[in-house]
Amino acid sequence: GNSVTQMEGPVTLSEEAFLTINCTYTATGYPSLFWYVQYPGEGLQLLLKATKADDKGSNKGFEATYRKETTSFHLEKGSVQVSDSAVYFCALKDVGGTSYGKLTFGQGTILTVHP
Amino acid sequence: DVKVTQSSRYLVKRTGEKVFLECVQDMDHENMFWYRQDPGLGLRLIYFSYDVKMKEKGDIPEGYSVSREKKERFSLILESASTNQTSMYLCASSLPGAGTSSYEQYFGPGTRLTVT
Repeated sequence: GNSVTQMEGPVTLSEEAFLTINCTYTATGYPSLFWYVQYPGEGLQLLLKATKADDKGSNKGFEATYRKETTSFHLEKGSVQVSDSAVYFCALKDVGGTSYGKLTFGQGTILTVHP
Repeated sequence: DVKVTQSSRYLVKRTGEKVFLECVQDMDHENMFWYRQDPGLGLRLIYFSYDVKMKEKGDIPEGYSVSREKKERFSLILESASTNQTSMYLCASSLPGAGTSSYEQYFGPGTRLTVT
């Protein structure tokens, strides 16, 4: 079955540091890939997405590139802010005809950014 | 502004009680989902529904049931709550579509359930 593996957390950075959160996946076919973010006390919200190989998703300074050859979708940001402190989830969407758009999530990575 | 609301943010129940978690969306979405979120495990799908009165089991349906009598409302039921069901429960909705469609799921704020 499908699976998503994220790098172990938690991750603690100073403001303006470079961020990478690794995500690799196992799936049949060509899934769509997503990064969701969960701020404290809130539900998840979509951060960015990519639907085919070599697509780059970007939003709020975050980027991730769909790498089919390495089955990866690593999240990066050049300069993090305190307000980026949150839990980040990598996810893939089934592409099968009866999948109904189900998502498979990674375990989440807690990011804390200090001033 | 799109919205998914959940009936309670925090809930405390006793072992053996029947528990209802309610979710309402105002986006006319066909698909609705219930997940539980546990540290180190990410989100795991309990049940989902792709139409009124239609439901499918997710990855961890044991101990849960669901009801969808109206398009906008999806209820999660714990028939006899147990301590191992203490968790954060998240509801989500989306437009239909498999294949290469990338319709996102919209999430509610979550219900933190404690079973004592």
